[in-house]
Amino acid sequence: NAGVTQTPKFRILKIGQSMTLQCTQDMNHNYMYWYRQDPGMGLKLIYYSVGAGITDKGEVPNGYNVSRSTTEDFPLRLELAAPSQTSVYFCASNRDRIGHTIYFGEGSWLTVV
Amino acid sequence: TQLLEQSPQFLSIQEGENLTVYCNSSSVFSSLQWYRQEPGEGPVLLVTVVTGGEVKKLKRLTFQFGDARKDSSLHITAAQPGDTGLYLCAGLNTNAGKSTFGDGTTLTVKP
Repeated sequence: NAGVTQTPKFRILKIGQSMTLQCTQDMNHNYMYWYRQDPGMGLKLIYYSVGAGITDKGEVPNGYNVSRSTTEDFPLRLELAAPSQTSVYFCASNRDRIGHTIYFGEGSWLTVV
Repeated sequence: TQLLEQSPQFLSIQEGENLTVYCNSSSVFSSLQWYRQEPGEGPVLLVTVVTGGEVKKLKRLTFQFGDARKDSSLHITAAQPGDTGLYLCAGLNTNAGKSTFGDGTTLTVKP
């Protein structure tokens, strides 16, 4: 199994540009998440989804958008990139809410200059 | 917003020493997980504790969930350089359907 796959691995954006971080999982998990992690810090939840067609805001949703048209895919859209969005982004999934393992992708390093 | 506070934030010890890291909250969680993250990689689950007062052992690592399910600790015995990494706790609130992560403890074990 590939698990959680996210692309790209690295990206440099100019201020004001837009981009989409792709995330796909092949474990048939209902729950998917996008986190950002600033250097030396923990994970902050941006958006999450409990199933296809359903998305909810996390702790830090401003400047981002998501969609969940299929169970497998959960892309994260950055509109009008700002330096404050420089971070490492992790996509994750788990089967359901009751304490099951959260599987993380390998991360996407984004720099906004 | 449910907050999880981890302490200490940074810990640097010599190989062979013991250590404990803490994860505290004023909120009650349905379950709590500990993850370990190495540089350049995503977090990997170490353990999930569900029952108040539960103790789980994973080789040299001992995890405890507080009786009130508001706090947890991770104790490492005879630390090794391979234990170096960022340790994250995550509290799960079943009703909210999502986990809250602490800011992590960065552990460095020197040979």
